[in-house]
Order: sequence, then structure tokens, then C-alpha cells
Amino acid sequence: EAEVAQSPRYKITEKSQAVAFWCDPISGHATLYWYRQILGQGPELLVQFQDESVVDDSQLPKDRFSAERLKGVDSTLKIQPAELGDSAMYLCASARGPGQDEQYFGPGTRLTVT
Amino acid sequence: AQKITQTQPGMFVQEKEAVTLDCTYDTSDQSYGLFWYKQPSSGEMIFLIYQGSYDEQNATEGRYSLNFQKARKSANLVISASQLGDSAMYFCAMRELGGNNDMRFGAGTRLTVKP
Repeated sequence: EAEVAQSPRYKITEKSQAVAFWCDPISGHATLYWYRQILGQGPELLVQFQDESVVDDSQLPKDRFSAERLKGVDSTLKIQPAELGDSAMYLCASARGPGQDEQYFGPGTRLTVT
Repeated sequence: AQKITQTQPGMFVQEKEAVTLDCTYDTSDQSYGLFWYKQPSSGEMIFLIYQGSYDEQNATEGRYSLNFQKARKSANLVISASQLGDSAMYFCAMRELGGNNDMRFGAGTRLTVKP
């Protein structure tokens, strides 16, 4: 069964350092999402891609966060510089399209900023 | 703006019993989808069930059913015959089908199944 891949699974970094997360969606899925989930809360959307284009990044803190999906397949989410408040689970999800389709989630990257 | 409310931070249920997890939502759109996800301690989000706003029948998937009351804007998840493996966080989510279709999640309910 096809799955969304994410790496690394765990990341510990010091504040002010740069960190990057990678996501490979299910083959053929045009829509890709990055979510941030703070402990004890539900996921919050950071950015949504349709193919290689950003559809929604209204909740992405653009002063320190960036995301790209250059070829419309895999995607990278970067934080520079990391802050203590960025400690969270970062989840990637993909869907066939932006409509009613179910979103398939990857295992997530748990980030700890010290 | 969308808002998803899950009023039960934690729930306990005896193994083999049924349990209902509450979810209410707020939207002015007529066309939307409602989702339930399970998140075990390992962290991945597992899709459980989907209900469209125009679906007249309540969705069912195995031991999961969605009690959809459109007028009350509620979409409660019912798990029948609870199993120990059902212990996890459960999230209700909604996506309005206009606009960017982004999904909004509730704060979640932690379900513990007791043997």
C-alpha cells in the first residue's frame, strides 16, 4: 500500500539553527499539505501545494519558514532560524486533488528545539 | 471562519462497549466535508470516516459510524465494540469545498479503552 514518506522522524536542534524536513507524497497525488501539530492540539495547516504551486500559505510564518515543491512531487519545509516555540510535530499529507478527497498523512517529523 | 469543537479532552470506555466522541462545527458554507482521524501514540494520522454535507445517510466504516445532525452542526463519531487498540487521540476535521479546501482540525479527544 502506498504511503506518504517523511524524514527525518525525529530532529533535535538548537535555537537559531536551520532545520529542514522532507516529504514524498503518494505517487500521483497532486495536492500536498504541511501541518504543524503542537503537543495537545490538532494539526494546523502551514502550506498547501497544488502540483508545484502554493495554493495557501496564509498561516506560514514567512519570516522564518519556507516551503517548496519544485517539480510538483516531493517537498521540503525549512525553518531558519529555529525558535523554541517551533517544537512540534510536522505532518505532511497528500491527496489526489483539492476536493473531497481523503488526505493521507505521513508519520510526521517530531522537532525539538533546545 | 471555520471552527471545530471537541468538548471531551478525554474519554474512557470499557472494552467491547460502544463510545461516542462529540464534534460540533461552525460554517456558513452549504458544501463541506467532515472527517475523523485517529492518532496513536506513534504520531501518524489515520483516516477513519468521511461525511459529506449533502449525504443523506450517516457514514459507516466497519466499527465506526458518524452520527451526522446537520441542523445541529454536529458530527459525532461512534465506535462500537471498543478494542484495546482503539486507545488513541481522535480528531474531527472539516473542509469547506469552496476556497482553498484546507482542512481545519479540532483539539482532539483522548480515548482510553479499559480491559
